[in-house]
Amino acid sequence: GQNIDQPTEMTATEGAIVQINCTYQTSGFNGLFWYQQHAGEAPTFLSYNVLDGLEEKGRFSSFLSRSKGYSYLLLKELQMKDSASYLCGPTWAGNNRKLIWGLGTSLAVNP
Amino acid sequence: NAGVTQTPKFRVLKTGQSMTLLCAQDMNHEYMYWYRQDPGMGLRLIHYSVGEGTTAKGEVPDGYNVSRLKKQNFLLGLESAAPSQTSVYFCASTDTRTEAFFGQGTRLTVV
Repeated sequence: GQNIDQPTEMTATEGAIVQINCTYQTSGFNGLFWYQQHAGEAPTFLSYNVLDGLEEKGRFSSFLSRSKGYSYLLLKELQMKDSASYLCGPTWAGNNRKLIWGLGTSLAVNP
Repeated sequence: NAGVTQTPKFRVLKTGQSMTLLCAQDMNHEYMYWYRQDPGMGLRLIHYSVGEGTTAKGEVPDGYNVSRLKKQNFLLGLESAAPSQTSVYFCASTDTRTEAFFGQGTRLTVV
């Protein structure tokens, strides 16, 4: 299968840094999406990684290791509004754009 | 720009009734998706389409049918609703050059 694994829940403190990991099947891997979803709302785009390495976008960064089948989302200077679910969505070449997702990581940011 | 619009936003059905959910996108995207989201289950792909006139099964297709007669519209049908189909349904669209854009969701309750 195309198992996508990410932690179910995480808790962090306002102002801190948190890393959310995601592992996936490497065979035929193309790229990986990270999305944020607040309770009761639609998911919104954070990043898409194709190449190995770290990509930084303000307080959020995303890392990819293609050979290890591993990605993480790094959130710095956490704010209360970062409390949300974070979805990992790998894509695989040749699967006709069948876009599937991990179960999501529910992040709670405490004061 | 409307983006991705889902109709209706809320619906209550009785067991055995039928209904159609409409997803409309104005970005000329080739690929469209229907997901359901249940607590603890993440986003699960029901059906998807890689172009006008095409449809394909996702992870949980049973009990649902879809049609993509026009490029901008993707319809999800429930022929005989069951309480197990109570869920939040999300539609999304994308193409090879952009991220996926989600609709605001349809909250369906089957009693």
